[in-house]
Amino acid sequence: QQPVQSPQAVILREGEDAVINCSSSKALYSVHWYRQKHGEAPVFLMILLKGGEQKGHEKISASFNEKKQQSSLYLTASQLSYSGTYFCGTEGGGSNYKLTFGKGTLLTVNP
Amino acid sequence: DADVTQTPRNRITKTGKRIMLECSQTKGHDRMYWYRQDPGLGLRLIYYSFDVKDINKGEISDGYSVSRQAQAKFSLSLESAIPNQTALYFCATSGKGRETQYFGPGTRLLVL
Repeated sequence: QQPVQSPQAVILREGEDAVINCSSSKALYSVHWYRQKHGEAPVFLMILLKGGEQKGHEKISASFNEKKQQSSLYLTASQLSYSGTYFCGTEGGGSNYKLTFGKGTLLTVNP
Repeated sequence: DADVTQTPRNRITKTGKRIMLECSQTKGHDRMYWYRQDPGLGLRLIYYSFDVKDINKGEISDGYSVSRQAQAKFSLSLESAIPNQTALYFCATSGKGRETQYFGPGTRLLVL
C-alpha cells in the first residue's frame, strides 16, 4: 500500500525550514528519500533503516520511527537548489526487496 | 557516460502498436526495475527482476511484459499500446541488500 506524504506542496522563501512527512499503514523496515527535479530522474538522498536512526547530510536530515511507521525529512535554511518533488519509498522487510513510493511533496523555494 | 541509460528518450506511438523500451546499466547490479510516473501519482512499480532468471510483477503489470536479456539489460514491452499508458517510464537498478536504487533518465511515451 502506498505511503502517505504530507504536505502535498509547500512554498518557502530562501533560508526557511521545512518538514516533509511519510506515513505507512504497514510495518516498515526501511525508508528511502529521493528528490526529483522537473523532467529529471529521481536522485537518492538517504536511507533510514529500522532502529529509529536519524541521518543527516549537510542541511538535510531525516528521522525514522518504525513503531509509528513514520519518517520525516527535515530541510533547514533552504536553498533555491532544494526545489523539486520529494518522494519517500518504503520497504517492509523480507527477501523480496522492493520499494513503494508515496505520491510526492512539491517543494518550491523562492528568493 | 551515464550508469543507467534508457532508449528511446521520447516516443510517440499510436493505439494498438507494439513498443519496446530498453534499459541498460554499467553498474554491475543484479536488480533492475521498471516504474511509470503519472502526474500526482508518484512512481508505481511495473515489473522487477533480481537476476536474469527472476522476473516479478509489480503493482501495475497489466498490459506490460518484460525481458531480462542479460544482467545489464532489461526491456519493457507494451504489446498493444493504449492512450492510458501515456506516461514517463523509469528504469532503476540496485545492488544486493537494501541499497539505494539508481534511476535512468526516463522515457516519455505518448500514445495517441
